[in-house]
Amino acid sequence: EPEVTQTPSHQVTQMGQEVILRCVPISNHLYFYWYRQILGQKVEFLVSFYNNEISEKSEIFDDQFSVERPDGSNFTLKIRSTKLEDSAMYFCASSSPSGNTDTQYFGPGTRLTVL
Amino acid sequence: AQKITQTQPGMFVQEKEAVTLDCTYDTSDQSYGLFWYKQPSSGEMIFLIYQGSYDEQNATEGRYSLNFQKARKSANLVISASQLGDSAMYFCAMREGAKDKIIFGKGTRLHILP
Repeated sequence: EPEVTQTPSHQVTQMGQEVILRCVPISNHLYFYWYRQILGQKVEFLVSFYNNEISEKSEIFDDQFSVERPDGSNFTLKIRSTKLEDSAMYFCASSSPSGNTDTQYFGPGTRLTVL
Repeated sequence: AQKITQTQPGMFVQEKEAVTLDCTYDTSDQSYGLFWYKQPSSGEMIFLIYQGSYDEQNATEGRYSLNFQKARKSANLVISASQLGDSAMYFCAMREGAKDKIIFGKGTRLHILP
């Protein structure tokens, strides 16, 4: 069964460093998303991406964040200058709306630790 | 106001019993979708079941069913014949109208006892 994959599974970085989180969505999906989950808290939407541009973003997704689909398979989230409060699990998701169902399938997550 | 409310922070259930996880939602949109996801201790987010606001039948997927009561704005998850592997965090979530994002509740941690 096709699935969303994410690399790395765990990333440790120093505050102020740039990180790139990588995702490979399900191959025939058209919509891509990033969410984050701070430890012990609920999952929060960051951004959605369709047709090579951002279609929706939350207030969390400020100028230090960016997304890119550099080729036909990868979808990346870049955090330019990490802060301590960026430590969280980051989930990539993808969907392919058909009919009334537009289920977003999540990857296994990347745990980001900012020191 | 909370868009998704899960009132049970934790539940303990005996193996093989059925369990109902509560979820209420708040939206003014006529078109919306409701989801349940399972998050085991390993951290991944596993899709379980979907219910569209216009679906007349309650959604079912194997041992999972969604008790959709539109007038009450509730979308409870029912797990029949619970198994030890069902122990996990369960999130109710909603997508409103034409918006992309899914809004999650705070989750219910389910413990299945042998």
